[in-house]
Amino acid sequence: GNSVTQMEGPVTLSEEAFLTINCTYTATGYPSLFWYVQYPGEGLQLLLKATKADDKGSNKGFEATYRKETTSFHLEKGSVQVSDSAVYFCALSDRTGGFKTIFGAGTRLFVKA
Amino acid sequence: DAGVIQSPRHEVTEMGQEVTLRCKPISGHDYLFWYRQTMMRGLELLIYFNNNVPIDDSGMPEDRFSAKMPNASFSTLKIQPSEPRDSAVYFCASSHRDRGLRGYGYTFGSGTRLTVV
Repeated sequence: GNSVTQMEGPVTLSEEAFLTINCTYTATGYPSLFWYVQYPGEGLQLLLKATKADDKGSNKGFEATYRKETTSFHLEKGSVQVSDSAVYFCALSDRTGGFKTIFGAGTRLFVKA
Repeated sequence: DAGVIQSPRHEVTEMGQEVTLRCKPISGHDYLFWYRQTMMRGLELLIYFNNNVPIDDSGMPEDRFSAKMPNASFSTLKIQPSEPRDSAVYFCASSHRDRGLRGYGYTFGSGTRLTVV
């Protein structure tokens, strides 16, 4: 079946540091891949997505590239801010899963001033 | 668009009472999902609907949980009777498929924090 594995947190960084959160997936079809962000007390928000191999999703300085050969979709940001502190979820969906989205366990990011 | 609207934002109830959570999806979205989030179990899919029809309820924990979608703009999740282990944040999300049938991503509501004492 489909699954998503992301690095365990928490990840603690200083402001302006480089961020990488690793995500790998297993899928029987050709999934779409997503990153969601959840700020304290809120629901998840779609951060970025990619629908086919080699696509790069980007938003708010965050980027992730769909790598079919390594089944990965790592999230990166060149310079994090305190306001980026949140929980980040990697996710996938495809037709074989009935378009249900499979979410990873989430990675909590703390950014210190 | 106001987004996905959930009510109430917080609910505190006594064990054994009936609890009803409400959701209004984004207009035009044909998929609606109910999730439960806890520290121990993370984000769990309970049930989802397509065009108001339940498609997969395999995540519903037990018969105490039921969900309905009487029309395209409203859904409820009911717990009867409630138990302390049902305490969690319950999220509703809606979505639609893009023209390539690839899934558009979800829009989540702000959630209902349920506490059963």
